[in-house]
Amino acid sequence: AQTVTQSQPEMSVQEAETVTLSCTYDTSESDYYLFWYKQPPSRQMILVIRQEAYKQQNATENRFSVNFQKAAKSFSLKISDSQLGDAAMYFCAYEDAGNNRKLIWGLGTSLAVNP
Amino acid sequence: DTAVSQTPKYLVTQMGNDKSIKCEQNLGHDTMYWYKQDSKKFLKIMFSYNNKELIINETVPNRFSPKSPDKAHLNLHINSLELGDSAVYFCASSHGLAGGELFFGEGSRLTVL
Repeated sequence: AQTVTQSQPEMSVQEAETVTLSCTYDTSESDYYLFWYKQPPSRQMILVIRQEAYKQQNATENRFSVNFQKAAKSFSLKISDSQLGDAAMYFCAYEDAGNNRKLIWGLGTSLAVNP
Repeated sequence: DTAVSQTPKYLVTQMGNDKSIKCEQNLGHDTMYWYKQDSKKFLKIMFSYNNKELIINETVPNRFSPKSPDKAHLNLHINSLELGDSAVYFCASSHGLAGGELFFGEGSRLTVL
């Protein structure tokens, strides 16, 4: 069965600095998707960034980028120029391409941004 | 306009009671989900529906019964509530294609006393 591991329950970063959140996953599939979702204190989960496993190029969305290492099954999230509004729980998730949209979620990393 | 809306946002009830949570999405998506997030923030899928058809049913006790009257609505009814049912329940929707973004509601915090 697929699993997703986020080994950092809590992280902190100074405003304007860069932070990297780690995520590893386990799968025997070759076609899948990886996601980072953000859950601010208001609780609504929103998508930060998505990566398709067949694409070698790392996804980027403004200040958010990923380091996708398929062989190592690693999918870390880098947040550049951290802002106070980035403070949230960050969840890494995996989806097998042919599995009826069943996402497997990590336990989350709580990110604090210090002014 | 709220894309995925759930009601109520807060529920406090006694053990043994029955309660329902409603969810509606106005995004035109064909797939809807119920997720449970426990006190440790662990997120687990409970059910998903595609065009009113049950697709995922994840070893959830049959005290939990989802109902999808149409593809814009997915309600969750819980019978005989137990202490362990206390959690935040999230509704979400998406297109049915793999890899698509999930749009979440704000959650419904259920507390069973």
